[in-house]
Amino acid sequence: KNEVEQSPQNLTAQEGEFITINCSYSVGISALHWLQQHPGGGIVSLFMLSSGKKKHGRLIATINIQEKHSSLHITASHPRDSAVYICAVTSTLGRLYFGRGTQLTVWP
Amino acid sequence: GAVVSQHPSRVICKSGTSVKIECRSLDFQATTMFWYRQFPKKSLMLMATSNEGSKATYEQGVEKDKFLINHASLTLSTLTVTSAHPEDSSFYICSASFVGIYNEQFFGPGTRLTVL
Repeated sequence: KNEVEQSPQNLTAQEGEFITINCSYSVGISALHWLQQHPGGGIVSLFMLSSGKKKHGRLIATINIQEKHSSLHITASHPRDSAVYICAVTSTLGRLYFGRGTQLTVWP
Repeated sequence: GAVVSQHPSRVICKSGTSVKIECRSLDFQATTMFWYRQFPKKSLMLMATSNEGSKATYEQGVEKDKFLINHASLTLSTLTVTSAHPEDSSFYICSASFVGIYNEQFFGPGTRLTVL
């Protein structure tokens, strides 16, 4: 069983839709990361959070430590948001665990 | 935010040759750098953790003599794939963390290695 589980695996949306990607984890963590990977492979770190909520432009990330769950929301989605979104956690022992990623496709 | 670069971004090589990939932290000193490998449609897999000035710690199943890691300075770590074979073809990504802020990691853009 993977320490980090993401859902859904694949997500298709129409431009303008509100999108939610979920992440659950089973280890004790010191931080949770949301990463974006575009076709061609480059990874960009979107958020690092250990509690509460963070917002950056149209992206919002929330985390519930008690429930070991995080969500990434994209408001007013756009085709350029199409990418793989990866949830990762840094365990309290300092190890990084990755989810398998969510492939998001936004159609115009 | 902090920037991590990798070079080259893509490399194609013949089977049996060695390939060196560089990972640099451009505007901060990274005491710890991590090397990951990603197979198509799979999540990233940690290969090794390298601390400046000391030997890298390899994950189980990763061959130390195959994947040589050097972290000679606070801004540079290198991964050398020795005697590369087609099964080594993959996407290699590094990340770096600050001194004392272990859980803040900054990712490089990755290197696509294709071994013919």
